[in-house]
Amino acid sequence: AQSVTQLGSHVSVSEGALVLLRCNYSSSVPPYLFWYVQYPNQGLQLLLKYTTGATLVKGINGFEAEFKKSETSFHLTKPSAHMSDAAEYFCAVSDRRRLAFGKGNQVVVIP
Amino acid sequence: DAGVIQSPRHEVTEMGQEVTLRCKPISGHDYLFWYRQTMMRGLELLIYFNNNVPIDDSGMPEDRFSAKMPNASFSTLKIQPSEPRDSAVYFCASSFSDSFNSPLHFGNGTRLTVT
Repeated sequence: AQSVTQLGSHVSVSEGALVLLRCNYSSSVPPYLFWYVQYPNQGLQLLLKYTTGATLVKGINGFEAEFKKSETSFHLTKPSAHMSDAAEYFCAVSDRRRLAFGKGNQVVVIP
Repeated sequence: DAGVIQSPRHEVTEMGQEVTLRCKPISGHDYLFWYRQTMMRGLELLIYFNNNVPIDDSGMPEDRFSAKMPNASFSTLKIQPSEPRDSAVYFCASSFSDSFNSPLHFGNGTRLTVT
């Protein structure tokens, strides 16, 4: 079965600094990969996804992620953190039969 | 589109009581998912439906849990009897594609507290 590893449940970043959230996956077939964001008291919203094609994927709110097959990774980045980026971020992988979520990263933005 | 609508937003009940959570998916979406979120276990898929038919219920923890989808616009998740360890946030999500290559649209969840 496919799985996702997100290290570091809490991530603190200074406003204006780089946001980097790491995601490593395992899948027996070419994966579909997703990043979702969850704001307090809300459901998850899609940030970006990779299915096929270009390995650098751009999403909403200035986020992007790069699919690296050799490293089985799909790390999420944003060049400059904004206070509104404070939320929980989930990486997810699909093998076309099931979707598995990581445990999430709670991002705190320090003014 | 109003998005996925869940009710109630909060539910507090006593151990042993029956709890029913409700979900209205986005119109036109033919996949519906029920997830449970806890601090310890993260997001867990409980069950999902395609065209109102349950496809995979392997995540349903026990026989105390049941889910139905009587039509394309309504689904319920029932817990009977409820226990304190069922306390969690329950999310409903819908999508319109198979193969999980389209995004899931989540509701705002139901926060269940069983005392």
